[in-house]
Amino acid sequence: GENVEQHPSTLSVQEGDSAVIKCTYSDSASNYFPWYKQELGKGPQLIIDIRSNVGEKKDQRIAVTLNKTAKHFSLHITETQPEDSAVYFCAASEASYDKVIFGPGTSLSVIP
Amino acid sequence: NAGVTQTPKFQVLKTGQSMTLQCAQDMNHEYMSWYRQDPGMGLRLIHYSVGAGITDQGEVPNGYNVSRSTTEDFPLRLLSAAPSQTSVYFCASSYRRAGELFFGEGSRLTVL
Repeated sequence: GENVEQHPSTLSVQEGDSAVIKCTYSDSASNYFPWYKQELGKGPQLIIDIRSNVGEKKDQRIAVTLNKTAKHFSLHITETQPEDSAVYFCAASEASYDKVIFGPGTSLSVIP
Repeated sequence: NAGVTQTPKFQVLKTGQSMTLQCAQDMNHEYMSWYRQDPGMGLRLIHYSVGAGITDQGEVPNGYNVSRSTTEDFPLRLLSAAPSQTSVYFCASSYRRAGELFFGEGSRLTVL
């Protein structure tokens, strides 16, 4: 089955700097890659997703890139703000679309 | 519109006891799933359902049972709780496969 790895596990950045989180997946048939943000005490929420027919997608300060050949995808957050502090999860969906497999998460701290 | 509702929010069990975690959604979503979240391991898929009457195993199904008699409800049963099942459990639903997952607020279970 699908296996998703995520790095780094923790990340601290100064407010205003950029943050990058990288993920790799194992199943070359996976074609849906969402990113979720989890704030303390809450359930994860989708922040952006990308499908395999697209190489990059942007939404304001957030962007995701996908390299299907290398089987890796990344989340880029620019001009970070304290409210960006949270745990971020990448995920990949198997070709059948029935299972969404998550990475282990990255705890992002934005220092004011 | 409540979204995904999980009960109870907190539960303490003794080894060998049984219990059911309830999950209900009012968005008419066909797809529902259960994840467990443990430190450093992200969200691991336990069981999922693509519609009423249809369930299947995820990554870590052992020790858990599910059923899906209605579109709205997807309970998770622990037949004989073990300390290894101490975790935070999240229920999620989606309007379609490989679509945005909407998570509940989680149920924290401790097995002594």
